[in-house]
Amino acid sequence: AAGVIQSPRHLIKEKRETATLKCYPIPRHDTVYWYQQGPGQDPQFLISFYEKMQSDKGSIPDRFSAQQFSDYHSELNMSSLELGDSALYFCASSTGHSTNEKLFFGSGTQLSVL
Amino acid sequence: SQQGEEDPQALSIQEGENATMNCSYKTSINNLQWYRQNSGRGLVHLILIRSNEREKHSGRLRVTLDTSKKSSSLLITASRAADTASYFCATEGSNDYKLSFGAGTTVTVRA
Repeated sequence: AAGVIQSPRHLIKEKRETATLKCYPIPRHDTVYWYQQGPGQDPQFLISFYEKMQSDKGSIPDRFSAQQFSDYHSELNMSSLELGDSALYFCASSTGHSTNEKLFFGSGTQLSVL
Repeated sequence: SQQGEEDPQALSIQEGENATMNCSYKTSINNLQWYRQNSGRGLVHLILIRSNEREKHSGRLRVTLDTSKKSSSLLITASRAADTASYFCATEGSNDYKLSFGAGTTVTVRA
C-alpha cells in the first residue's frame, strides 16, 4: 500500500540558508500535518492543512511557511535557518478533517543546520 | 511536551515479560492514540481509544483510559525483541483535530 512520501530524506544546510521539505500524502488523503522532532524530544505540531487551506497552527516560527497544493502535496519552506532548526521533520496525512482519525506518518526529513 | 508526561521515560525488560507505560494529559480530549517509533524513523499508529471508552485491545496491546484522572496506560504483553522502540501517546483535543504528543517511553526488550 502507498505510504506518505517525504523528500529529501536528509538535508544539510548552513545557517541563514533556506530549505524546502516536500510531502506527498497517501492517495485520497486530503489532510496534511507537519511535525518537528528534536533529538530525544516528542514531536511538536507545526501546522496542518485540509483541502488546501490551513486548518490548525502550532508552534511554527514566522521564518517557516507551508502550503498544500491542488494535488494535495504539501511543502514546508524554512528560511533564515538557525542551528536550533536541526531536527527530524515529519509529515502525516489522514482522510478528512474530522475527529477520531489516525495519522499516517512519513519517514521524515532529517535536517541538519551547520 | 505539549500534553504532559509519560512514565517511565525508559524501560528495559526481558523478552516474554510485559511492558507497561503510562501517559498523562492536560486538556479535555476526543481520543487518545498510541504510536510507536523506531529510532530515527516515522511514527506508526498502534491503537486509538475514544474518550467514552475505558479499555481497548489489539493483539498483544491493551490500552486503558481514565478521563477523570486524565491518564492512559499501554500494556504490551509477552514482549519480543522487535518491540524495542519508543512509544508515544498523543491526544486529539476537544476543540481541534490535531494530535499533541507526550514525551515518550523508550522500551528496550532484551533477548
